[in-house]
Amino acid sequence: EPEVTQTPSHQVTQMGQEVILRCVPISNHLYFYWYRQILGQKVEFLVSFYNNEISEKSEIFDDQFSVERPDGSNFTLKIRSTKLEDSAMYFCASSLGGWDEQFFGPGTRLTVL
Amino acid sequence: SQQGEEDPQALSIQEGENATMNCSYKTSINNLQWYRQNSGRGLVHLILIRSNEREKHSGRLRVTLDTSKKSSSLLITASRAADTASYFCAPQSGGYQKVTFGTGTKLQVIP
Repeated sequence: EPEVTQTPSHQVTQMGQEVILRCVPISNHLYFYWYRQILGQKVEFLVSFYNNEISEKSEIFDDQFSVERPDGSNFTLKIRSTKLEDSAMYFCASSLGGWDEQFFGPGTRLTVL
Repeated sequence: SQQGEEDPQALSIQEGENATMNCSYKTSINNLQWYRQNSGRGLVHLILIRSNEREKHSGRLRVTLDTSKKSSSLLITASRAADTASYFCAPQSGGYQKVTFGTGTKLQVIP
């Protein structure tokens, strides 16, 4: 069964450094998402992406964040200058249509020191 | 967009029993999705029910939707220890594609 994959599974970085989290969505899906979950808290929406542009973003998704689909398979989340409070599990998801099931990847645990 | 509110917050049952979790939401929806999350792990999609559907089944899972009451329920029949996890309902509404998660129901199935 097709699945969303994410790399790396765990990323440790120093405060102020840039990180790029990578996702490979399900191949025929058209909508892509990033969510995050701070330890012990709810899963929070960050951004949705369709037709090579951001379709929606939350207040969390400020200028420090960007997303890109550099080729036909990868979907990346970049954090330009990480802060301690960016430490969280980051989930990528994809769906075929905008109102279809969203399938989530296993997550990348980001630790900012 | 809106989040679903799951009830109860925690549920503990014996293996073999049925588990029922409820979800309420505030405004009209396009669909509602149920997810499972094992501790510290990823989110597994269970079922999507659209606003014009009343009931859906998938294996041991049964989801109902009552749009007049703005509520949904997830029934897991013949529960197993492996069903121990947190369960979330996530409504999709309006012009938004995102799903919004609440705090979930933490289910413990005792062997």
